[in-house]
Amino acid sequence: ELKVEQNPLFLSMQEGKNYTIYCNYSTTSDRLYWYRQDPGKSLESLFVLLSNGAVKQEGRLMASLDTKARLSTLHITAAVHDLSATYFCAVRRDSGGGADGLTFGKGTHLIIQP
Amino acid sequence: ETGVTQTPRHLVMGMTNKKSLKCEQHLGHNAMYWYKQSAKKPLELMFVYNFKEQTENNSVPSRFSPECPNSSHLFLHLHTLQPEDSALYLCASSLSGTPEAFFGQGTRLTVV
Repeated sequence: ELKVEQNPLFLSMQEGKNYTIYCNYSTTSDRLYWYRQDPGKSLESLFVLLSNGAVKQEGRLMASLDTKARLSTLHITAAVHDLSATYFCAVRRDSGGGADGLTFGKGTHLIIQP
Repeated sequence: ETGVTQTPRHLVMGMTNKKSLKCEQHLGHNAMYWYKQSAKKPLELMFVYNFKEQTENNSVPSRFSPECPNSSHLFLHLHTLQPEDSALYLCASSLSGTPEAFFGQGTRLTVV
């Protein structure tokens, strides 16, 4: 059974600081997703990582993937208040049917204080 | 706006009611999904449809009945729900061979 674990689950940090969210998964997968969710809202796609060593950056967020370690990281650089949200990682469940759902971690609730 | 539209956005229903959630996408995607997000559990995959055929039912109770009349529309029929079924229900779609999965805005369901 595919399991996805995120840590930390809760993070409070100050503006201007750097921090990393970790995502471990239990079985081989070829797709790793990061989503952002604001309170009461749906999921906003941030990154899709497809291969070992993949690194993607958008603004103050950078995601990386190590498929051998089954680990992805989401790094936040010089955090700003607008980045406060819940961040989810998710891994594609390979059912072999061509339409594969995602298994999600519990999410990291990030609060960035001025 | 992701191109995946869910209605209604909010729904309150009694345990004896029957209601339906609707999801539609005009992105040309062939796969559609229902997920449940409750306060106490991670996002859970419920159903998967590929070219309107159900390919996965993740041990969902029969009081949830999905329907996919075509690749653009997906319904979730609800009957005799329990208060613990209160949650945010998210629909998603994707195109085989491409990595992106797009989520709708969700329906916030409250069972009273």
